[in-house]
Amino acid sequence: EVQLVESGGGLVQPGGSLRLSCAASGFIFSNYNMNWVRQAPGKGLEWISYISDTSGTIYYADSVKGRFTISRDNANNSLYLQMNSLRDEDTAIYYCARGPRGYSSSWYVYWGQGTLVTVSS
Amino acid sequence: EIVLTQSPGTLSLSPGERATLSCRASQSVSYSYLAWYQQKPGLAPRLLIYGASRRATGIPDRFSGSGSGTDFTLTISRLEPEDFAVYYCQQYGSSPPGTFGQGTKVEIK
Repeated sequence: EVQLVESGGGLVQPGGSLRLSCAASGFIFSNYNMNWVRQAPGKGLEWISYISDTSGTIYYADSVKGRFTISRDNANNSLYLQMNSLRDEDTAIYYCARGPRGYSSSWYVYWGQGTLVTVSS
Repeated sequence: EIVLTQSPGTLSLSPGERATLSCRASQSVSYSYLAWYQQKPGLAPRLLIYGASRRATGIPDRFSGSGSGTDFTLTISRLEPEDFAVYYCQQYGSSPPGTFGQGTKVEIK
């Protein structure tokens, strides 16, 4: 069974940093591209970052470019999101999401349960 | 960047009725690379449809998707109590991947 489990969320002050993790199991992690998608309270979904299976291709949404860094550790089946210079508007539930194998741009079949990041003083 | 506009914002219907949700793109979506998701409060989104019309594994056949180019539709033929939720469309035909619409809430009338 495919499982994605996010962790690392919490309360952080504006300008602070946080590192999110996503532990993957039930599939060969190194074969799949991965994404982070967020959802502000009461709002819609926003894709924020993509990383290819080998980490060779990375994309960011304009809203986080230059502040967030996506990475992965295929040996440990883990996906990460380093978030720096956090702003109030980064407050959201952060989901890791996986699509089908071989697609750089895809639908998301599997989602984690999400981890809440709250940016507030 | 392709912008997706969903309508209506809220759809008030009774169980057993037909629901028709619209997703319009600001430019043509390549290869009909459009997906639909259902989200219930406190849960992650659930994939319903991909490729505009292909049902995901385990999705009941009362859910159907159609459309191409800039106009797409999700139809729920007969609403069950568990179908009242928020629905999002997503296009994945352009890079960067994964633009979502703002959502349509289907609520009990």
